[in-house]
Amino acid sequence: AQTVTQSQPEMSVQEAETVTLSCTYDTSESNYYLFWYKQPPSRQMILVIRQEAYKQQNATENRFSVNFQKAAKSFSLKISDSQLGDTAMYFCAYLYGGATNKLIFGTGTLLAVQP
Amino acid sequence: NAGVTQTPKFQVLKTGQSMTLQCAQDMNHEYMSWYRQDPGMGLRLIHYSVGAGITDQGEVPNGYNVSRSTTEDFPLRLLSAAPSQTSVYFCASSPRGQGGYTFGSGTRLTVV
Repeated sequence: AQTVTQSQPEMSVQEAETVTLSCTYDTSESNYYLFWYKQPPSRQMILVIRQEAYKQQNATENRFSVNFQKAAKSFSLKISDSQLGDTAMYFCAYLYGGATNKLIFGTGTLLAVQP
Repeated sequence: NAGVTQTPKFQVLKTGQSMTLQCAQDMNHEYMSWYRQDPGMGLRLIHYSVGAGITDQGEVPNGYNVSRSTTEDFPLRLLSAAPSQTSVYFCASSPRGQGGYTFGSGTRLTVV
C-alpha cells in the first residue's frame, strides 16, 4: 500500500527567509502524481503545487518549488521569501494515476512564519 | 462556478442520531471523495467514487455510507453517530486524468 510520511510536525521560519518541508512516500508504481496542499486557519484546502512522476523537471509556482527525487521517493517543498500569510498546515499527498484516482495524505507539517 | 459545496458547515449530533452530509460539485468531475481530518492524523479517506453509480471504501469506511446517483452529488451518511466520529469532514472532486482534487470548505461535526 502507498504511504506518505511527513516527519516534521511543526516548523518555524522568520519572515523573508527560506524554509523546506520534507515528505517521503512509498510506492511500487511508476506512474503517479505528488502534491502539496496548504490549509490555513480558515480550514480551506488549497493546492500549492503538483508534480507528475514521469517529469524529471521540478515543479515551481512563484515562491514555491519542489525537490523531487524519484529514486529516493522524496518530495520536499521549498518556500522562498516566506510571508506571514504562509502560516498554515502543509500536507504532502500522493495520487496513483490508475482507475481509482485515490489521493493519500501525510500527517501534515504546521508552519509558523514569525515577523 | 461554485466548485465543491458542502453543507452544513457545523453540526452537533447526539450519540445514536443519523444524518447526511451533503456534497455537490458543478465542474462535471468524475471522481469524488470523502475525507475526515483529525489532529495529528492528516486526512483519511472514508469513501470514494469514480463515477455515477460507482463507489468504494477507503481507509476508514466503518459507520459511513455513500451513494452516487448523479455526477454532481455525493452525500455521506452517518448511520448511528458515535463520539469517535467527531471530526472535520471534507468532500473533494477531481476530473479524469489531471490528478488535482478541489476541496469543499469542510463540515465540523461534533457527536456528544
